[in-house]
Amino acid sequence: ILNVEQSPQSLHVQEGDSTNFTCSFPSSNFYALHWYRWETAKSPEALFVMTLNGDEKKKGRISATLNTKEGYSYLYIKGSQPEDSATYLCAFNNNNDMRFGAGTRLTVKP
Amino acid sequence: EADIYQTPRYLVIGTGKKITLECSQTMGHDKMYWYQQDPGMELHLIHYSYGVNSTEKGDLSSESTVSRIRTEHFPLTLESARPSHTSQYLCASSELTGELFFGEGSRLTVL
Repeated sequence: ILNVEQSPQSLHVQEGDSTNFTCSFPSSNFYALHWYRWETAKSPEALFVMTLNGDEKKKGRISATLNTKEGYSYLYIKGSQPEDSATYLCAFNNNNDMRFGAGTRLTVKP
Repeated sequence: EADIYQTPRYLVIGTGKKITLECSQTMGHDKMYWYQQDPGMELHLIHYSYGVNSTEKGDLSSESTVSRIRTEHFPLTLESARPSHTSQYLCASSELTGELFFGEGSRLTVL
């Protein structure tokens, strides 16, 4: 059984704050780790697909790191904006199937 | 933007009705998926397909069925809907990198 856990479940921050959340996953049979952003009433969109231990990826104010040996990934948002409000999902891919965490729901207050 | 479409977006039906949730993609992806999500819970894979005439059950048991007669089309059918089927159903397709492209979801309520 693949367990993907995300924390915190929800997070409320003020505009301009920087924030981060965690995804933990099994450290064996790793193939890829995905991050998705899911805004209300829209479809989830891929942020990052990470495959190598030590990977760091960045897209604007959002970045992510990956540690496959200990089984965790961090997602960072610098200077949060109200439009960053969404649920952030991570998914663990072992090349056989993909298992999702329950997500972190981020609310950024103006 | 991803070219994957789901209909209907919202559906309220009575117990015992047969329903089909449509999913179409125009990206030529071979792999397609159906996920089910209850509020506050993770997405659970209920069906997937590696290509035409290929269908497999996912990790979450589901009373629904799927078909894949054409590459672009992956409909999900419930022969007799029950209140326990009330949920959100997300369709997705993927390219070789494994990145998923999602539809906007079908939110089903069975009374």
